[in-house]
Amino acid sequence: AQTVTQSQPEMSVQEAETVTLSCTYDTSESNYYLFWYKQPPSRQMILVIRQEAYKQQNATENRFSVNFQKAAKSFSLKISDSQLGDTAMYFCALQGRAGSYQLTFGKGTKLSVIP
Amino acid sequence: EAQVTQNPRYLITVTGKKLTVTCSQNMNHEYMSWYRQDPGLGLRQIYYSMNVEVTDKGDVPEGYKVSRKEKRNFPLILESPSPNQTSLYFCASSTPVHTEAFFGQGTRLTVV
Repeated sequence: AQTVTQSQPEMSVQEAETVTLSCTYDTSESNYYLFWYKQPPSRQMILVIRQEAYKQQNATENRFSVNFQKAAKSFSLKISDSQLGDTAMYFCALQGRAGSYQLTFGKGTKLSVIP
Repeated sequence: EAQVTQNPRYLITVTGKKLTVTCSQNMNHEYMSWYRQDPGLGLRQIYYSMNVEVTDKGDVPEGYKVSRKEKRNFPLILESPSPNQTSLYFCASSTPVHTEAFFGQGTRLTVV
């Protein structure tokens, strides 16, 4: 079974500052994908960034970047220059590449950006 | 426009009254799944389907049924809803190649 743990239920950050959300995971597979999804108050699930486990280079999407530490099974999300629109729930997720392709989510981190 | 469509978006029902939440995708995705989201628990998978006529249980299947008669549709059926099934439900679709899961807009279900 695969598991995803987000240890920070809530976080806050000042507008324009940088914040890092933590995620650790466990899987027996050697090949997998990791994701960060954003859920604003509209409830829509929006893909923020993804990382393929076999790629050593950390993924980056504009103000969003990850710190992927495969040996430590850690996958943190860094948001730079935080904006009010970043206020949302953030979910870390893991998808195995064999068998059922099940997507397993963490419990989420509620991020508030303070003006 | 590529999308996953769920209906209804909001539903209030009474205990024991059968209901169906529909899910349809227009991206020709093989893989579809249902999740429920509860405060403090994140999203948990209910059922998934890897293709037409192929379905399997996720982590919390009790009290739910699904069917996959067509590639585009994956309805979620609650034969006898109970209050503990009050939740926010999401349908998602993807392909193994693309990996990214596309989500519907969610269905807020309340069972009284």
